[in-house]
Amino acid sequence: DAKTTQPNSMESNEEEPVHLPCNHSTISGTDYIHWYRQLPSQGPEYVIHGLTSNVNNRMASLAIAEDRKSSTLILHRATLRDAAVYYCILREGSGAGSYQLTFGKGTKLSVIP
Amino acid sequence: SQTIHQWPATLVQPVGSPLSLECTVEGTSNPNLYWYRQAAGRGLQLLFYSVGIGQISSEVPQNLSASRPQDRQFILSSKKLLLSDSGFYLCAWSVTAGTGGGYTFGSGTRLTVV
Repeated sequence: DAKTTQPNSMESNEEEPVHLPCNHSTISGTDYIHWYRQLPSQGPEYVIHGLTSNVNNRMASLAIAEDRKSSTLILHRATLRDAAVYYCILREGSGAGSYQLTFGKGTKLSVIP
Repeated sequence: SQTIHQWPATLVQPVGSPLSLECTVEGTSNPNLYWYRQAAGRGLQLLFYSVGIGQISSEVPQNLSASRPQDRQFILSSKKLLLSDSGFYLCAWSVTAGTGGGYTFGSGTRLTVV
């Protein structure tokens, strides 16, 4: 499995942008970059995913480095409801590995009012 | 729109008792289905996945089993629970692999084996 590296924790002030980094130096050409978040006692929630180009949706933006060895999840205005553990995961584009999402420890984001 | 239902939300079972957790998906056909487990203070671990009716792949050997009797129904079972089976069990679905699309998780079942 290709692996990702994330900081254990980050803090942000409410209503400020948050940039959550992820390193994935061993990413292969067909791996998709996924982000999920998990609130306490809830299942993970899909946030965004991308392959090569930057992506935007209603929840966040995903900035992917040109060499694809790192990416950044951007929350444009953090709210208290964004406090969660954020997981950066590589999903293989095909083959048996494409059925797996391997969750690491993620980044615990705290939002300060 | 697609929805995923998982029940029960919480469950307390004695050691040695059987287990049956059910998950159903609505609004899509031929989904990939998954069972994950999250032990206390640990990350999510993939237990089983299924790409079609009757097709089950096991990722972790243990005393749990999974079945997919219908296209949008996924069941996690055990004949005799162990204390180590306690955890947060999550069902998830995704579209066919190859599109890189996201997973949708259910709300989970918190199982405590006593």
